[in-house]
Amino acid sequence: QVQLVESGGGLVKPGGSLRLSCAASGFTFSDYYMSWIRQAPGKGLEWVSYISSSGSTIYYADSVKGRFTISRDNAKNSLYLQMNSLRAEDTAVYYCARVWQLARTEYFDLWGRGTLVTVSS
Amino acid sequence: SYVLTQPPSVSVAPGQTARITCGGNNIGSKSVHWYQQKPGQAPVLVVYDDSDRPSGIPERFSGSNSGNTATLTISRVEAGDEADYYCQVWDSSSDHPYVFGTGTKVTVL
Repeated sequence: QVQLVESGGGLVKPGGSLRLSCAASGFTFSDYYMSWIRQAPGKGLEWVSYISSSGSTIYYADSVKGRFTISRDNAKNSLYLQMNSLRAEDTAVYYCARVWQLARTEYFDLWGRGTLVTVSS
Repeated sequence: SYVLTQPPSVSVAPGQTARITCGGNNIGSKSVHWYQQKPGQAPVLVVYDDSDRPSGIPERFSGSNSGNTATLTISRVEAGDEADYYCQVWDSSSDHPYVFGTGTKVTVL
C-alpha cells in the first residue's frame, strides 16, 4: 500500500526542539524528492522544506530557515524534520508529501495524514 | 516571491457548477495544480498540470489556465464536494519553489 505516515508531533515549549519522522511504504522512496508542508489551525497550506532524492539539494521557507533541518535516510525509507528554536507561530499540522516531477512543473501527489505540533508554554 | 490569490469562499447549489479562481501574475505561463482538503483530512490532488486528473478523480473536476487566472471547475456539484480547495504552482526560478494559493472554501447549499 502506497502511503506516508508521519510521527513525532506533540506539545513543546517555546524555544524547544522536536524531530518529526515520515515513514514511506509501497513505493521506491529513494526515487522521489520529498517535502514538508504545514498548516496552522484554521489557516492555509504553507510549504516548509524540500529535499532531493539523494539529499544533495535542500530548500527552506524563509520562516524556518536556520531553525529547521530536513534530512532523509533512503535505507530506512524515512524523511525527517528537525525543528529547533520553536515558536508559537510554528504550531501547525505538519504533512509529509511526495513530489512528482514533470518536465516543467512539480506537485505533491501523495500526502501523509499529518502530525500536530503545538508550541505553547 | 510569487503570489496566488483565491476568493475566500464560493457557494453553490447541488447539481450546479462551481468555479474557483486562482490569480497570479502571468499564471498562464505556469502549470497549476489543485488540491481538495476536507475537514480533518490531508489534501488530495484533484487536478494537475492545469487540466489533467489523477486516477480516481471524477470527470466533474476540470481545470483551465490562461492569462492571469487559473480556474478549477466542479460540474454537477455534490454535497461531498464541500471542502477547501488550494491552487499551487512551481516557481523554478525561486529557492522557494512551491507556492500555494490562499484557499477557497466551497459550500454546497
